[in-house]
Amino acid sequence: KAGVTQTPRYLIKTRGQQVTLSCSPISGHRSVSWYQQTPGQGLQFLFEYFSETQRNKGNFPGRFSGRQFSNSRSEMNVSTLELGDSALYLCASSLRTSGGRLYNEQFFGPGTRLTVL
Amino acid sequence: AQKVTQAQTEISVVEKEDVTLDCVYETRDTTYYLFWYKQPPSGELVFLIRRNSFDEQNEISGRYSWNFQKSTSSFNFTITASQVVDSAVYFCALIFTGGGNKLTFGTGTQLKVEL
Repeated sequence: KAGVTQTPRYLIKTRGQQVTLSCSPISGHRSVSWYQQTPGQGLQFLFEYFSETQRNKGNFPGRFSGRQFSNSRSEMNVSTLELGDSALYLCASSLRTSGGRLYNEQFFGPGTRLTVL
Repeated sequence: AQKVTQAQTEISVVEKEDVTLDCVYETRDTTYYLFWYKQPPSGELVFLIRRNSFDEQNEISGRYSWNFQKSTSSFNFTITASQVVDSAVYFCALIFTGGGNKLTFGTGTQLKVEL
């Protein structure tokens, strides 16, 4: 089975611009979560999408948004970029539930390294 | 509030030594899930293990073993006979009931295994 894929792998943007990151989950996984990793704040949860609905949201400003499509692929958008948005953005997919059992192990993609100048 | 503490910022060992990475967690929930992830220099987080709060059985997988103790709120990870390929940052994480799929991560422990 193919793993989680994220595109692009690297991005350089300038302050004030916006950016869209894409994530394709493992086949059959319906939950996609996004995390931001920075040296100062570590790994922080952004949001989770399941069945095209946002199920959970972390403590980030409204400039960070996302969506999920019917094929479970997800996109994350950051508007009006700030220098502090420079980070590794990680996407993770999870089966969530199947046959009444909880499968909350999350499998991560390689990440998108965003640099804001 | 949920919290995961990994007090060891960096550990250096010589190959073939055993090493234990500590993880202490805080949660008010009685049902929760604990995880360990490995992050090699490439950056991708690799899932190692999931443990639920009602299963305190320790687990061994090859050179890896995990010790879960609810009484001390700890979920420690031991690598036996470490190898250079084990060099990475290791993260302990927690999901609590009602938190959906939100992983709360510790700050990570950088493990360096030298020849």
